[in-house]
Amino acid sequence: GAGVSQSPSNKVTEKGKDVELRCDPISGHTALYWYRQRLGQGLEFLIYFQGNSAPDKSGLPSDRFSAERTGESVSTLTIQRTQQEDSAVYLCASSSSGGRGSEQFFGPGTRLTVL
Amino acid sequence: GDSVTQMEGPVTLSEEAFLTINCTYTATGYPSLFWYVQYPGEGLQLLLKATKADDKGSNKGFEATYRKETTSFHLEKGSVQVSDSAVYFCALREAGGTSYGKLTFGQGTILTVHP
Repeated sequence: GAGVSQSPSNKVTEKGKDVELRCDPISGHTALYWYRQRLGQGLEFLIYFQGNSAPDKSGLPSDRFSAERTGESVSTLTIQRTQQEDSAVYLCASSSSGGRGSEQFFGPGTRLTVL
Repeated sequence: GDSVTQMEGPVTLSEEAFLTINCTYTATGYPSLFWYVQYPGEGLQLLLKATKADDKGSNKGFEATYRKETTSFHLEKGSVQVSDSAVYFCALREAGGTSYGKLTFGQGTILTVHP
């Protein structure tokens, strides 16, 4: 498929465990974003990668959250010592550039449930 | 910081009714504006966009005009269909600065259209 893919689609974990979420952007897209969507709320920006530039981490809610991206390919979002308030749908998006009008294409999301 | 405020839902309409979903924004610069839609069981997708004042974005019978003087980007459709039932998100993208690239979303408006 040519779209953004994410895995796993669902993840249930126990409080205190670490989780790793994966995003495969559209091939050739230099920009990659992570967002979080809590139940009944809008999307919150977490982190933004653009090419080889330093990522914009301004949206990460705590130091338990981190993300990496290898070149212009796969990205992983890691949440350490998960808490119940981390339960949400985590969405990844990519765009062909960081331009102000460029469209962000979203993946289907990973639904994380922390028990 | 930047923010987006949408009219609260849910909105329930009969088929062929006129739709307006209000959206206003606060931004320090000159952002691009977007409407995204999330159909039941599907991922978030771009509905329409506008990148400068007085631009009108349109798609699938939906329209929104970038009003800089009122900082608004209201979504309208003249005659809704059952298939328009979805969650609609207004969003902005900053024109520059350290957080360039990220989207700031409103909280979403649930639209239900009955036959």
